[in-house]
Amino acid sequence: AIRMTQSPSSLSASTGDRVTITCRASQGISNSLAWYQQKPGKAPKLLIYAASTLQIGVPSRFSGSGSGTDFTLTISCLQSEDFATYYCQQYYNYPPGTFGQGTKVEIK
Amino acid sequence: EVQLVESGGGLVQPGGSLRLSCAASGFTFSDYSMNWVRQAPGKGLEWVSYINSISSSIYYTDSVKGRFTLSRDNAKNSLYLQMNGLRVDDTAVYYCARERPRGVVDFWGQGILVTVSS
Repeated sequence: AIRMTQSPSSLSASTGDRVTITCRASQGISNSLAWYQQKPGKAPKLLIYAASTLQIGVPSRFSGSGSGTDFTLTISCLQSEDFATYYCQQYYNYPPGTFGQGTKVEIK
Repeated sequence: EVQLVESGGGLVQPGGSLRLSCAASGFTFSDYSMNWVRQAPGKGLEWVSYINSISSSIYYTDSVKGRFTLSRDNAKNSLYLQMNGLRVDDTAVYYCARERPRGVVDFWGQGILVTVSS
């Protein structure tokens, strides 16, 4: 199975900061990568799919890039509502759609 | 408004059974593949099972093969997960999840807690 590794596992940032989260696949997955946001006690929410396509309704401060094995999620100007845990997920070899371990974005 | 509402969770002893249901509304259920994704307390997301729109393809993660059975009833707009031989490590919040495009979960239910404990 394809393994997905996110870094960092957690980070502290302030509102207005630019934040970048990295996701690495154990083998090439083309652009078959999605990003999700999860707040405590809530279901995840789709942010980005096909590595860089913004889901309808997601603010444009979120962006994704990458192809092959290395991917990034960038939040250009962190807002208070963005403090959450973010997961990447590959769907190249699917099912299963394996997730990364998550990156928790906390308030500095 | 798209809604996925899970039910059937609760506390069960190791070796016991539960049947989770997911009631879908606000979209044409029969057009979509569906999934169950779970999250153990304080842990990350784990894909559990997949079923395509016409039930011709069903997949399970290795740890639940032979114990869980996924099915759907398009006439009732419902998804079901029969869980037998439950183990302590099956304890998790289980999310019903709609898939579109292939492999991408574009909508999640609110989740239902399954606790396996003696």
